[in-house]
Amino acid sequence: KAGVTQTPRYLIKTRGQQVTLSCSPISGHRSVSWYQQTPGQGLQFLFEYFSETQRNKGNFPGRFSGRQFSNSRSEMNVSTLELGDSALYLCASSLDGLRNEKLFFGSGTQLSVL
Amino acid sequence: TQLLEQSPQFLSIQEGENLTVYCNSSSVFSSLQWYRQEPGEGPVLLVTVVTGGEVKKLKRLTFQFGDARKDSSLHITAAQPGDTGLYLCAGARSQGNLIFGKGTKLSVKP
Repeated sequence: KAGVTQTPRYLIKTRGQQVTLSCSPISGHRSVSWYQQTPGQGLQFLFEYFSETQRNKGNFPGRFSGRQFSNSRSEMNVSTLELGDSALYLCASSLDGLRNEKLFFGSGTQLSVL
Repeated sequence: TQLLEQSPQFLSIQEGENLTVYCNSSSVFSSLQWYRQEPGEGPVLLVTVVTGGEVKKLKRLTFQFGDARKDSSLHITAAQPGDTGLYLCAGARSQGNLIFGKGTKLSVKP
């Protein structure tokens, strides 16, 4: 079956703009998590959605938001972009988001803020 | 403060050498996962260790979970160029998301 699909793969924006990233999980997976990856900080958890509800949230400002649709597809939005938001944004899906479940990651969206 | 410290940060070795990378924390985790990430791709799960003292083998890779469930190691025997990548450990706590270390970037030269 198809893996986790993230679109777009690359994105270039300027400061102050907003951006929406999309993630289609593996069919049948109901949990979608988002991570930000930078060379300096590594992978940092943004939030997790399950059955259209945000179930868990990391320590990111309110400019970072997300949502999940009834088909489990998820989007994340970043408003008022800052230079420091340049990063690889990874989405991961799992069946139910339980503690020891295997996470399946997409290839990510590389966001550059100029 | 990084909850999971990985060492070394970078490692460059010749094909055929053995290596060990470490993942340490002052916190107890209910389980620990190891991932490998190649350039331009997302991380791929290699193994999950759950029980303190557990050892798991995956071909030339040996994973160990510390007795106190605070640390883990990954040993690679006879490394090959295909082992090149970023190795990430991630700890699961009683509730909430996975906590990732910053990773060990491994380069295996032919």
